[in-house]
Amino acid sequence: NAGVTQTPKFQVLKTGQSMTLQCAQDMNHEYMSWYRQDPGMGLRLIHYSVGAGITDQGEVPNGYNVSRSTTEDFPLRLLSAAPSQTSVYFCASRLPGQGENTEAFFGQGTRLTVV
Amino acid sequence: AQTVTQSQPEMSVQEAETVTLSCTYDTSESDYYLFWYKQPPSRQMILVIRQEAYKQQNATENRFSVNFQKAAKSFSLKISDSQLGDAAMYFCAYRGTSGGGADGLTFGKGTHLIIQP
Repeated sequence: NAGVTQTPKFQVLKTGQSMTLQCAQDMNHEYMSWYRQDPGMGLRLIHYSVGAGITDQGEVPNGYNVSRSTTEDFPLRLLSAAPSQTSVYFCASRLPGQGENTEAFFGQGTRLTVV
Repeated sequence: AQTVTQSQPEMSVQEAETVTLSCTYDTSESDYYLFWYKQPPSRQMILVIRQEAYKQQNATENRFSVNFQKAAKSFSLKISDSQLGDAAMYFCAYRGTSGGGADGLTFGKGTHLIIQP
């Protein structure tokens, strides 16, 4: 099983450039989310989606846009990259609700450097 | 807002010995989930163990077990018979059930576990 796939794995951007981080999952998970991980910090929630067509902001949404047109894909867009967005980005998905088998599955991360 | 605190930035243990990683959290919810994730140098986030707050029994997964103290809001991870492959960053994470943030995870800052051969 592929699970959660993120592309690219590494990216260098210049300040002001735009780009999209891709995330795809093949587990038919309704819930998907994006996190960023900075040195000395745990992961922090950027945006999340509870299903196709539904997105909302997490803890650190500024500078990022998301959309969810299909269950499988949840891209993260940086419209005008800033050095403060240098980070490792993780996409995660899970089944909705609570209880057994609702833990989050993570992609392998994208290391983004903005110069 | 919930917070998760891991007070040990780094821990070191001899191979085959036991180590305990600490985690405390703050929440006003009565029902929630707690997780320990392992992050090796490959960056992959790997679920180690989970605990439902409504279950009094501590979760166990092979060499990994937790000590969940709900009243104290404490959730420590014990690794028995430590192996070289256990070396990684370990993150404690909280997930509420109130529906906000799609119950996204709140993470601690992590503990870097070193295994001495």
